[in-house]
Amino acid sequence: KAGVTQTPRYLIKTRGQQVTLSCSPISGHRSVSWYQQTPGQGLQFLFEYFSETQRNKGNFPGRFSGRQFSNSRSEMNVSTLELGDSALYLCASSLPRGEETQYFGPGTRLLVL
Amino acid sequence: QKEVEQNSGPLSVPEGAIASLNCTYSDRGSQSFFWYRQYSGKSPELIMSIYSNGDKEDGRFTAQLNKASQYVSLLIRDSQPSDSATYLCAVSLSGNTPLVFGKGTRLSVIA
Repeated sequence: KAGVTQTPRYLIKTRGQQVTLSCSPISGHRSVSWYQQTPGQGLQFLFEYFSETQRNKGNFPGRFSGRQFSNSRSEMNVSTLELGDSALYLCASSLPRGEETQYFGPGTRLLVL
Repeated sequence: QKEVEQNSGPLSVPEGAIASLNCTYSDRGSQSFFWYRQYSGKSPELIMSIYSNGDKEDGRFTAQLNKASQYVSLLIRDSQPSDSATYLCAVSLSGNTPLVFGKGTRLSVIA
């Protein structure tokens, strides 16, 4: 079974731009979570989508948004990029309600200049 | 504020020794506990999950949970240089709540 895939793997943007990252979960997984990982803050939860609905949201500004499609694929968008948004963005998928084990994709490394 | 605390390390152990990684959490209602391994430049991969007090063994890995002390640990027996990585502890209240991660402990196994 194929794992979680994320595109693109690397991205360079400049301040003020916006970016969209994509995540395809493991087949059959309906829950997708997004995390931001930086050396200083570690892994921080952004949001989780289940059946096209945002089920949980972390403590990030409104510039960070996401959505999930009917095939469970998910996208996250960051608008008005700031230097501090440079990070590894990880997507994780899990089975439906009641199964918490999350499987991570390879991540998208974003550099904001 | 839910917190998960880990010693950042590095924890250095000789090859063949037992590595002991520790994690404490603040929310007494936490129900699910996970250990992930992350190699440099890679994404986290699940090693173990544990839900009940006591020990859970899987090959060279043993997870230990003590809910009364709000403490979870990971033991790695017969440590190998390939075990050198950052180990992340993650905790959640239930299946519908987000995982809260510690910042990880960097393990270095010396050949």
